[in-house]
Amino acid sequence: ETGVTQSPTHLIKTRGQQVTLRCSSQSGHNTVSWYQQALGQGPQFIFQYYREEENGRGNFPPRFSGLQFPNYSSELNVNALELDDSALYLCASSSRDRAPYEQYFGPGTRLTVT
Amino acid sequence: AQSVTQLDSQVPVFEEAPVELRCNYSSSVSVYLFWYVQYPNQGLQLLLKYLSGSTLVESINGFEAEFNKSQTSFHLRKPSVHISDTAEYFCAVGETSGSRLTFGEGTQLTVNP
Repeated sequence: ETGVTQSPTHLIKTRGQQVTLRCSSQSGHNTVSWYQQALGQGPQFIFQYYREEENGRGNFPPRFSGLQFPNYSSELNVNALELDDSALYLCASSSRDRAPYEQYFGPGTRLTVT
Repeated sequence: AQSVTQLDSQVPVFEEAPVELRCNYSSSVSVYLFWYVQYPNQGLQLLLKYLSGSTLVESINGFEAEFNKSQTSFHLRKPSVHISDTAEYFCAVGETSGSRLTFGEGTQLTVNP
């Protein structure tokens, strides 16, 4: 069984640029959730995708957007990067079709905005 | 809405000592409860979960947590820690609808020889 994978591992961008992060969900899972983990803090929920549609969103501005593909992989896009966007971005996969909807996390993408 | 409070940001202990990491939560709806562990430069690993039934849940590596509904707590315990248990531990609540997890700020457990 393949676990959750994310790419790239690390990324350095300049303020104002755009970035795309990618996530492949675990085999058998149809749901992907994205979290932002700032240094020294707990992860914060960004949004969740279920069957290619957004299914819940946290307190993040519209410049954070996402996609889910038919194979259930997902992308997180961030436009107009700000210094405060520097964080570890975590993707988690789960299955919304059967309880208890446990979420399994990937290793994360470390984004640094300069 | 849910919230999670981890009462200790750092817990230093000596090897083979017992440890308790405290977690309190609030929620207006039914939730599932989780503990995740994060090693340096890695993602989160599910340590244990409470879904329903017995209020005491155990992990395969000796950790246990007890759900206390009246005190809205889900404290994590281990009777004897190892150096390898050094990590950041996060308590989380999950909506029973299956959407978001809400995490606490984390507790850094450091096990010293």
